[in-house]
Amino acid sequence: KAGVTQTPRYLIKTRGQQVTLSCSPISGHRSVSWYQQTPGQGLQFLFEYFSETQRNKGNFPGRFSGRQFSNSRSEMNVSTLELGDSALYLCASSLEQGRADIQYFGAGTRLSVL
Amino acid sequence: AQSVTQLDSHVSVSEGTPVLLRCNYSSSYSPSLFWYVQHPNKGLQLLLKYTSAATLVKGINGFEAEFKKSETSFHLTKPSAHMSDAAEYFCVVSDSGGYQKVTFGIGTKLQVIP
Repeated sequence: KAGVTQTPRYLIKTRGQQVTLSCSPISGHRSVSWYQQTPGQGLQFLFEYFSETQRNKGNFPGRFSGRQFSNSRSEMNVSTLELGDSALYLCASSLEQGRADIQYFGAGTRLSVL
Repeated sequence: AQSVTQLDSHVSVSEGTPVLLRCNYSSSYSPSLFWYVQHPNKGLQLLLKYTSAATLVKGINGFEAEFKKSETSFHLTKPSAHMSDAAEYFCVVSDSGGYQKVTFGIGTKLQVIP
């Protein structure tokens, strides 16, 4: 079974631009979560989608948004990029949405904002 | 509300000696607890999880963790470190307050000295 796939692996953008990252979960998984990982802040939860609905949202500005499609694939979008948005963005999928569900992570998309 | 504290940001051990990575948590509900490992430039991989069954949980690669409710701790241990254990380790708490909500610790970087 294929794992969680994130594309692209690397991105370089300039301030003010917008970016879209993609995540394909493991087949059959309905929950997709997004995280931002930086050296200073660690892993911070962005949002979670389950059956095309956003169920949880972390403390990020409205510039960060996401969506999930009927095939469970998910995208996240960051508009008006800032230097501080440079980070590794990780996507994780799980079967359901229970507290005990294991999350399976992709390798991440490394975003550099210049 | 839930939180997790990893007490050491860096741990250094010699190959063949025991590993102890410390984690304390706070949760208003009965939590699920996880340890994930992240090798350089890779996504996170589950080591083990606790979900209110046995308090001593065995994971992959010889790691185990003990859930101690009275101490609100979930420390990760391994009897003998291997060079391949060098990575960053994350303690994670997820409780049942409504939908799944996951909080990651800041991470502990494990260095293994030959």
